[in-house]
Amino acid sequence: AQSVTQLGSHVSVSEGALVLLRCNYSSSVPPYLFWYVQYPNQGLQLLLKYTTGATLVKGINGFEAEFKKSETSFHLTKPSAHMSDAAEYFCAVRGGSGGYQKVTFGIGTKLQVIP
Amino acid sequence: DSGVTQTPKHLITATGQRVTLRCSPRSGDLSVYWYQQSLDQGLQFLIQYYNGEERAKGNILERFSAQQFPDLHSELNLSSLELGDSALYFCASSRDRSSYNEQFFGPGTRLTVL
Repeated sequence: AQSVTQLGSHVSVSEGALVLLRCNYSSSVPPYLFWYVQYPNQGLQLLLKYTTGATLVKGINGFEAEFKKSETSFHLTKPSAHMSDAAEYFCAVRGGSGGYQKVTFGIGTKLQVIP
Repeated sequence: DSGVTQTPKHLITATGQRVTLRCSPRSGDLSVYWYQQSLDQGLQFLIQYYNGEERAKGNILERFSAQQFPDLHSELNLSSLELGDSALYFCASSRDRSSYNEQFFGPGTRLTVL
């Protein structure tokens, strides 16, 4: 079975500071990993995803994430936070056998950006 | 705008009642997913349909059911509603049956059970 753990339900950073949102996964098969963002009163939007190949994945809005198999991690980073980055971020994993297509989401991390 | 539409936006009803939530996927998308988002449970996958057929099942209660119609829109039926069913219900769609492809989420339906 697959699962994700997001460390920190709330993270605060100053505008211009590094953003680091942590995600660890558990999967019995090679995982596909995702980061989604949810702005207030909106649905989720895909930021980036890792399936196979290059372990450093670049996404939209300047975000990137690195797949580290040895650490079972897929942390999301952005060098410089912007006020518009304030949102909730969800890490997700998909993996399974027999055609099972379930995507499991983490509990989410709310990012606050302080001016 | 993701291209996924959900109606209604808000729904207030009483315990024991039955409601239907509707979702229209993006043009050309064959898969529809339903999720429940609540404060205590987070985002929970309920069910996936692909081209009219059930594809995958998650934490969906027996009181809940869904279907996807020939025009690919989907409905989620919630019956014998309980207070704990109050949540945001999201629909998402993707191009094909593989959930590793990007899912496009609708704006959600906020259900309040009184």
